[in-house]
Amino acid sequence: AEKVIQVWSTASRQEGEELTLDCSYETSQVLYHLFWYKHLLSGEMVFLIRQTSSSTAKERSGRYSVVFQKSLKSISLIISALQPDDSGKYFCALWEPNNYAQGLTFGLGTRVSVFP
Amino acid sequence: EAAVTQSPRNKVAVTGGKVTLSCNQTNNHNNMYWYRQDTGHGLRLIHYSYGAGSTEKGDIPDGYKASRPSQENFSLILELATPSQTSVYFCASGDVDWGYEQYFGPGTRLTVL
Repeated sequence: AEKVIQVWSTASRQEGEELTLDCSYETSQVLYHLFWYKHLLSGEMVFLIRQTSSSTAKERSGRYSVVFQKSLKSISLIISALQPDDSGKYFCALWEPNNYAQGLTFGLGTRVSVFP
Repeated sequence: EAAVTQSPRNKVAVTGGKVTLSCNQTNNHNNMYWYRQDTGHGLRLIHYSYGAGSTEKGDIPDGYKASRPSQENFSLILELATPSQTSVYFCASGDVDWGYEQYFGPGTRLTVL
């Protein structure tokens, strides 16, 4: 079974709107981290924001913020004031301590298109 | 800022040939990773390393070898390339002290004919 699920494979909005990307995950760990990355059209994979399972703070970085529902094992990325440059593929990823150096487990990604 | 570079950026290889993908990081991170990305899959971990001299199998290691000769360099080796290894390959580095984020290189697009 997939550990990280991004239900929507595509999403499109107009410039200036807000977009919410959903991600659900499976883990038996108490402590873990969740990440959002953006895959640019240029090929670059850019780290956006991190949510630690033990944190109740609403993480925010610029126009990116997350809604973390730990009991539901759900995390959403909210992108406000969308710009055409926000177009790209967004990945949710999970890091678990029992897989310390085994890397991140990624979802399939959501391709976002922002229209002027 | 974190810096991970990969070479080559694009590669066309023939079936049965040997391919080496190189990765260099200037972050002084202990851990390095090789992933591949394919349509219908997220990034999948091939090999990883805890530090110079160490390599470990990830989730999909078959058909791949890895080499970590130094802290900075991590190579992925396809001894006998096959068309099923056509993919985009990403190298990443990360460390506990950096808050567990992994910093990715720009990717290498490999086509095996």
